[in-house]
Amino acid sequence: SQKIEQNSEALNIQEGKTATLTCNYTNYSPAYLQWYRQDPGRGPVFLLLIRENEKEKRKERLKVTFDTTLKQSLFHITASQPADSATYLCALDNQAGTALIFGKGTTLSVSS
Amino acid sequence: EAGVTQFPSHSVIEKGQTVTLRCDPISGHDNLYWYRRVMGKEIKFLLHFVKESKQDESGMPNNRFLAERTGGTYSTLKVQPAELEDSGVYFCASSSLTGSYTEAFFGQGTRLTVV
Repeated sequence: SQKIEQNSEALNIQEGKTATLTCNYTNYSPAYLQWYRQDPGRGPVFLLLIRENEKEKRKERLKVTFDTTLKQSLFHITASQPADSATYLCALDNQAGTALIFGKGTTLSVSS
Repeated sequence: EAGVTQFPSHSVIEKGQTVTLRCDPISGHDNLYWYRRVMGKEIKFLLHFVKESKQDESGMPNNRFLAERTGGTYSTLKVQPAELEDSGVYFCASSSLTGSYTEAFFGQGTRLTVV
């Protein structure tokens, strides 16, 4: 069955640094990969989507890469701010392409 | 534009009781999904509606869970009878298109505690 691993449960960095989060997957070749942000007590909020034929996607201070050979996506937040502190979830489409499979998430803490 | 709304935000019930969760998707979104996060685990898919039809209910844990979407608008998820392992946060999401090539809009979740 498909499996997603987000390597770090927690990541602590200083304000202004670049945060890099990793998402690895196995047993599948997804057509799309999404990243969501989740704050405590809230539902996930969509950030970025990248397609299998795209190597990189950017949105403001966010950058996502998608390496289908390594079966890995990297999520970068440049010039991180304390407001970026949250849990970030990687999600792939299921084999039917109808729903999302989520990783456990990485909790990012940005200290000032 | 109103987002996805879930009721109640919290529910504490005793084992054996019945609970009904409600989800109001974004108006016009034909696709409605239920997901669940059990403590310490990842968010897992439960089922998918397109309008009032169940497209995929492969993630439903067992027959104690019943989801409906009458009229293709709001949806309910009933757990009857509830067991301790049903505790978790239940998320509803909606999207205008089917498939993961479009973003899903999530509600804030219903935290269910079965004691």
